Amino acid sequence: DAEITQSPRHKITETGRQVTLACHQTWNHNNMFWYRQDLGHGLRLIHYSYGVQDTNKGEVSDGYSVSRSNTEDLPLTLESAASSQTSVYFCASSESTGTIYNEQFFGPGTRLTVL
Amino acid sequence: KQEVTQIPAALSVPEGENLVLNCSFTDSAIYNLQWFRQDPGKGLTSLLLIQSSQREQTSGRLNASLDKSSGRSTLYIAASQPGDSATYLCAVTQGGSEKLVFGKGTKLTVNP
Repeated sequence: DAEITQSPRHKITETGRQVTLACHQTWNHNNMFWYRQDLGHGLRLIHYSYGVQDTNKGEVSDGYSVSRSNTEDLPLTLESAASSQTSVYFCASSESTGTIYNEQFFGPGTRLTVL
Repeated sequence: KQEVTQIPAALSVPEGENLVLNCSFTDSAIYNLQWFRQDPGKGLTSLLLIQSSQREQTSGRLNASLDKSSGRSTLYIAASQPGDSATYLCAVTQGGSEKLVFGKGTKLTVNP
């Protein structure tokens, strides 16, 4: 069955370190998204991609970057981790079919703690 | 800027009760609305997707309706079960973008 996976599932790091969270989907979807989920804020969009070599900033992109070198993967990099980036991170994917926006499928999440 | 609100934030009901979860959004120019379920410590599971041209979608005991003009959607759960206990999230996409804007969710507890 097609799926979307994230790794690691849990990560503890120190302030100032560079961290990369992996997201891999086997749906062959064009679109991929990164969200963070925090108490009191809900889910907020960090970055997204509509295809290979395409990346776009979301609502809370400062301190994060992504790159899309193939269809299956969209890694999220925290350039210099800060305590404010302690959160649960979710990756999602969807397929565009013309003007129809299809449902997004989510990965299991990565819980990141920055000390 | 689109804002999505879900009321109530928490709801506790006895098993077997029919219930309605509410979602409202400020900008009616949406492309679709999606309802999700999230169990504690888990990812989001898609329940129903309603395109902007549709009025409702059904899946088993779940029925979601959409009234774009009034900026509202409801998720109806029939004959609730303890296994329905979870947080339910609604999210909308705007025209020209596939980005989801989420509400903060309704935490549902179904008591045996």
